[in-house]
Amino acid sequence: AQSVTQLGSHVSVSEGALVLLRCNYSSSVPPYLFWYVQYPNQGLQLLLKYTSAATLVKGINGFEAEFKKSETSFHLTKPSAHMSDAAEYFCAVSDKGYSTLTFGKGTMLLVSP
Amino acid sequence: DAGVTQSPTHLIKTRGQQVTLRCSPKSGHDTVSWYQQALGQGPQFIFQYYEEEERQRGNFPDRFSGHQFPNYSSELNVNALLLGDSALYLCASSLAGLVSYNEQFFGPGTRLTVL
Repeated sequence: AQSVTQLGSHVSVSEGALVLLRCNYSSSVPPYLFWYVQYPNQGLQLLLKYTSAATLVKGINGFEAEFKKSETSFHLTKPSAHMSDAAEYFCAVSDKGYSTLTFGKGTMLLVSP
Repeated sequence: DAGVTQSPTHLIKTRGQQVTLRCSPKSGHDTVSWYQQALGQGPQFIFQYYEEEERQRGNFPDRFSGHQFPNYSSELNVNALLLGDSALYLCASSLAGLVSYNEQFFGPGTRLTVL
């Protein structure tokens, strides 16, 4: 069975500071990994995905994530936080089968001026 | 290009009632998945429909059922509602031929409140 652990239910940063959201996964097969963002009262928007190509993945809005197999991690980073980045972020894992996703519990990113 | 649409946006029901939620997939997509997102939690997979059949199912009771129509739209039905069914229900669509990327597009969700 696959699972995802997101460390920290809330992360607070100042505008302009580095954003680091942590994700560790468990999978018995080579995984596909995803980061989604959810703004209040909205659905999920895909930020980026890892599908066994380059281990450093660049996404939208300046976010990127690095797949580290030895650490079973897929942490999300952004060099400089913007107020508009405040939202909830979900890490998810999928196998190569029917494209169903297993999500972590999410991390709420708070950005202060 | 219309994305994934869901209706209704909000719904209030009482315990024991039945509810039907609807989803229209993104244009060109043929696979629909449903997820339940309880408050403060990540989405949990309910089931997936492809070619009008349930292809995969998560750990949800039989009170949760679904249907996919020939135009690929889908319904989620929940019978004998419980307070614990209160959640945001998300529909996601994908294209079976692109399973290698497993990319799903999510709708805005239906907020179900059970009183």
